[in-house]
Amino acid sequence: SAVISQKPSRDICQRGTSLTIQCQVDSQVTMMFWYRQQPGQSLTLIATANQGSEATYESGFVIDKFPISRPNLTFSTLTVSNMSPEDSSIYLCSVENRLAGGESGELFFGEGSRLTVL
Amino acid sequence: AQSVTQPDIHITVSEGASLELRCNYSYGATPYLFWYVQSPGQGLQLLLKYFSGDTLVQGIKGFEAEFKRSQSSFNLRKPSVHWSDAAEYFCAVGDLNSGYALNFGKGTSLLVTP
Repeated sequence: SAVISQKPSRDICQRGTSLTIQCQVDSQVTMMFWYRQQPGQSLTLIATANQGSEATYESGFVIDKFPISRPNLTFSTLTVSNMSPEDSSIYLCSVENRLAGGESGELFFGEGSRLTVL
Repeated sequence: AQSVTQPDIHITVSEGASLELRCNYSYGATPYLFWYVQSPGQGLQLLLKYFSGDTLVQGIKGFEAEFKRSQSSFNLRKPSVHWSDAAEYFCAVGDLNSGYALNFGKGTSLLVTP
């Protein structure tokens, strides 16, 4: 299994500021994903981040608001830009444990970064 | 459109009683199916997954789930619930066409009473 570390685990931010969340994995992985979990809600995929290419964003999410970096196979960052109270959420990094032969495996999740925007 | 439905937002069961959490999906392709659990303040932990083969899947912590293609369901079961099972449970579905991005249900919150 993959061990995923996220920083910060939680933060309180002021409206209009930006915050970068870091995700470190203990092994090399091809695909990394960023999810958002708004209060009392399920997880929504923000984007897929593959090393060496631009992140692929889901409908409703744009690069200007959520820029993502993926400099290598063990690390990624998600920035939440120009934050508003509506951005208060848990942001989760996840990686795919792709099985031998290319079969899709399970997703492993970090413990999340809980952001509160005042 | 692809969707995952967990009809029950909250479920309360007595400790020792049996549990079934429902999950229905609407997918065009053969899906990969997962159940995750999220304890308060914790990340998500995979309970079990179904890709192919035997439709009754055993997971961790005594949980099992059965894939029923005819009903488009993947219900989670446990014969005897423990107080430590109180948590949020998420059903998730994915397929190769989605590039392995998972689609999560809205979750079912489980409360266990003494």
